[in-house]
Amino acid sequence: DAGVIQSPRHEVTEMGQEVTLRCKPISGHNSLFWYRQTMMRGLELLIYFNNNVPIDDSGMPEDRFSAKMPNASFSTLKIQPSEPRDSAVYFCASSLQAGVDGYTFGSGTRLTVV
Amino acid sequence: GEDVEQSLFLSVREGDSSVINCTYTDSSSTYLYWYKQEPGAGLQLLTYIFSNMDMKQDQRLTVLLNKKDKHLSLRIADTQTGDSAIYFCAEAYGNNRLAFGKGNQVVVIP
Repeated sequence: DAGVIQSPRHEVTEMGQEVTLRCKPISGHNSLFWYRQTMMRGLELLIYFNNNVPIDDSGMPEDRFSAKMPNASFSTLKIQPSEPRDSAVYFCASSLQAGVDGYTFGSGTRLTVV
Repeated sequence: GEDVEQSLFLSVREGDSSVINCTYTDSSSTYLYWYKQEPGAGLQLLTYIFSNMDMKQDQRLTVLLNKKDKHLSLRIADTQTGDSAIYFCAEAYGNNRLAFGKGNQVVVIP
């Protein structure tokens, strides 16, 4: 298995633009998580899907952020409009049942908003 | 949510042992984990321990679990430059949920 695949690896965009981050979870995993990592705030859980349904979006910072999971093999995190304070590394992770395998993380998307 | 605490920074000489500590909150956690994040990469599962164990050894890694004090530690023997990374502990809770600590940066000095 290729693991959790995120794209793009790097994104530089201007303030006010829309940004879409993409994630392909491991086949067979039924849970998907979006995290944001910054130096100041560490690793923050943004949203958690189970069987493609959003279960907990309490970590989504504000209405500018939205996430979808149209099917079991694809999820997007959209920021519109983007702001410089959204600059961070965004990780997607997937899991079947945490147990001995925990979560499997993607390599992340480094977002820079200028 | 759960609260997992870690100290932030550790510097160690190559060849010495490193010990990273973590405290967690949920006494019913079934699994506890250590993740490693190398520069520019995602978090990778390093090892885990089941809650009915006190210790787990895996090559250079030793995990100690003190359930009474809700304390988890990771010892890396013969630390090497490739061990320089951020280490996160995590506890399982609820339904397939993990709570992560803030991470502990380990810098190995040659």
